[in-house]
Amino acid sequence: NAGVTQTPKFQVLKTGQSMTLQCAQDMNHNSMYWYRQDPGMGLRLIYYSASEGTTDKGEVPNGYNVSRLNKREFSLRLESAAPSQTSVYFCASSDLDTLVQPQHFGDGTRLSIL
Amino acid sequence: AQKVTQAQTEISVVEKEDVTLDCVYETRDTTYYLFWYKQPPSGELVFLIRRNSFDEQNEISGRYSWNFQKSTSSFNFTITASQVVDSAVYFCALRGDSGYALNFGKGTSLLVTP
Repeated sequence: NAGVTQTPKFQVLKTGQSMTLQCAQDMNHNSMYWYRQDPGMGLRLIYYSASEGTTDKGEVPNGYNVSRLNKREFSLRLESAAPSQTSVYFCASSDLDTLVQPQHFGDGTRLSIL
Repeated sequence: AQKVTQAQTEISVVEKEDVTLDCVYETRDTTYYLFWYKQPPSGELVFLIRRNSFDEQNEISGRYSWNFQKSTSSFNFTITASQVVDSAVYFCALRGDSGYALNFGKGTSLLVTP
C-alpha cells in the first residue's frame, strides 16, 4: 500500500547547507516528478524524469539538481539552500501513458531554511 | 502555454449547503486532460477525477459532480450537501499532449462549518 514514499517528512536547514530529498515508488511507473508548493501558488514543477535515465527541467529548476537513480527512485538535491527554497516538496509518479494516468503523489516533505 | 485559473481563493459554507468550485483553463493542445485533486489539512494530495478533452460528459460520484464545458474552457466541481470532512484545498490541474507535467491552479480553500 506504499505508493510514493518521501523521506524525510520534515527538515530544517541553515542557509548554505546541502540536502537530498528522497523519493521512491513501488508502482513500476516510468515517470517521476518533483513539485514545490508555496502558499497561494499551487504546485509548480521543479524537475521531472519521463523515464529511467532521463531528466528535464520544469518551471522552477534553479537551485536544484535531480538524479534518477533507477526506475524506483528519484532524488532532489539542494546544493546550497536558500530561504526562498522554504516550501513543501512533493514527489509524484505516473505510468508510461502519462496523458491518461493521474499522477500519484507522496505525502510531502516540509522544508524550512533559516 | 497552459494555464489554470481558480478565481475563488477561499469559500466558506455551512454544512449541507451545495458549493461549486470554478476552474477555467487555457491550452493550445488539441488533446488534454483535466484533473481535480483534494488536499485535506493533513497535507496529502488525493486524486478525485480525470476528464479528457474528447469527453464532455458530466460525471457524478456520490455527492461530487463535475461539469466540463469546452465552449467556455471550464471544468467546474460541485459538492452537494457539503460536510465538514469536505474542508480542504481543492486543485484543478491540466496536462496537454505537449508536455509531461501537470499545470496546477492556485487552489480553492473550502471551509465547511457545522
